[in-house]
Amino acid sequence: NAGVMQNPRHLVRRRGQEARLRCSPMKGHSHVYWYRQLPEEGLKFMVYLQKENIIDESGMPKERFSAEFPKEGPSILRIQQVVRGDSAAYFCASSPPDRMAIAGTPLHFGNGTRLTVT
Amino acid sequence: DQQVKQNSPSLSVQEGRISILNCDYTNSMFDYFLWYKKYPAEGPTFLISISSIKDKNEDGRFTVFLNKSAKHLSLHIVPSQPGDSAVYFCAASEGGAQKLVFGQGTRLTINP
Repeated sequence: NAGVMQNPRHLVRRRGQEARLRCSPMKGHSHVYWYRQLPEEGLKFMVYLQKENIIDESGMPKERFSAEFPKEGPSILRIQQVVRGDSAAYFCASSPPDRMAIAGTPLHFGNGTRLTVT
Repeated sequence: DQQVKQNSPSLSVQEGRISILNCDYTNSMFDYFLWYKKYPAEGPTFLISISSIKDKNEDGRFTVFLNKSAKHLSLHIVPSQPGDSAVYFCAASEGGAQKLVFGQGTRLTINP
């Protein structure tokens, strides 16, 4: 009964390269959320997706960042032309499709991908 | 605009005593509050939650108190154990929504 799986755990990129972070939700979960934690800060919401659909991307930077959750396969958070300020821990969480009907169901997070931009 | 604030970056408590972690919020539309615990190199783990219709929720050694008029909540851990040493995040949401707003975290250290 695997939890939310994220890979890679650590990713090092040089400035200007692309970073791809993957998230496989818990079994039976069709909704995925991405959060970012900058050093010494709390987690900040980035985007909420369900299969083949972006529900809320209000926390995504306007440029260079994109997310998808295809019908098959993991959710991908893509950062193009990375800069030093993108260095952070990126966490994914998932929930079942009926979470909104069961108010208060907590999100379960993966162990994150730590991105370092050199 | 920090809607959820944890003003104490760190807290040190002796083993066996009570740990009290505090959290303030500004958005009166928040109606669901959670505490997460985070160890280094791991993701946040859900600890306990409370709906705005309640003022207290208890689960074993953990109790969360909500004071809506003061827009304040607190997490009490008693008795504190060494394994409780971690960073604790307070989070809030509106309408049971998926978008959690987190505080900056408080690093709790339990001393033997």
